[in-house]
Amino acid sequence: NAGVMQNPRHLVRRRGQEARLRCSPMKGHSHVYWYRQLPEEGLKFMVYLQKENIIDESGMPKERFSAEFPKEGPSILRIQQVVRGDSAAYFCASSPARTGGSYEQYFGPGTRLTVT
Amino acid sequence: DAKTTQPPSMDCAEGRAANLPCNHSTISGNEYVYWYRQIHSQGPQYIIHGLKNNETNEMASLIITEDRKSSTLILPHATLRDTAVYYCIAAAISNDYKLSFGAGTTVTVRA
Repeated sequence: NAGVMQNPRHLVRRRGQEARLRCSPMKGHSHVYWYRQLPEEGLKFMVYLQKENIIDESGMPKERFSAEFPKEGPSILRIQQVVRGDSAAYFCASSPARTGGSYEQYFGPGTRLTVT
Repeated sequence: DAKTTQPPSMDCAEGRAANLPCNHSTISGNEYVYWYRQIHSQGPQYIIHGLKNNETNEMASLIITEDRKSSTLILPHATLRDTAVYYCIAAAISNDYKLSFGAGTTVTVRA
């Protein structure tokens, strides 16, 4: 039973380039969450998606960042025109469909983005 | 969501129980207490959560005080692999998907 998969694990981009981070949720999970962890800080929520829908993107920077979770394929976090401040670890988590009450999130190993 | 306060660090002897405190004095009635941990450079790992009753699973026990203003995570027999940053998070049912990770407690298990 594979866990949450993220790729690439490490990504180096020059300033101004685009970064695409992919996340495949656990089998049977239809909800995906993206978090960002800046150096020496805790994880910060970015966005919550279900298949083909963005549920909450309140943690996403207003510009350059976008996320999608298509009907088929992995969830993608896209960062356009990267800047050095985007250097961070980006974690994806997934959970099953919410049926009421609380539930846990299962995290992937993260993608470490370095902007040079 | 209620703010949580945890000690920045603690040491624990291998094989002994580790008791991790968390203060959440402003927690409201619809907020759960979640515990996650992050082993160096890995993604966070869910440990346990509860609303008002004590909870136990294969990893840990969660003791929540009757007034719900604080809780304790208990790792019954700490091993070296339990060395990690432990996060206590209070989150309302309506948006408990939006986990807010603070500084956590860095737990070092020593042989």
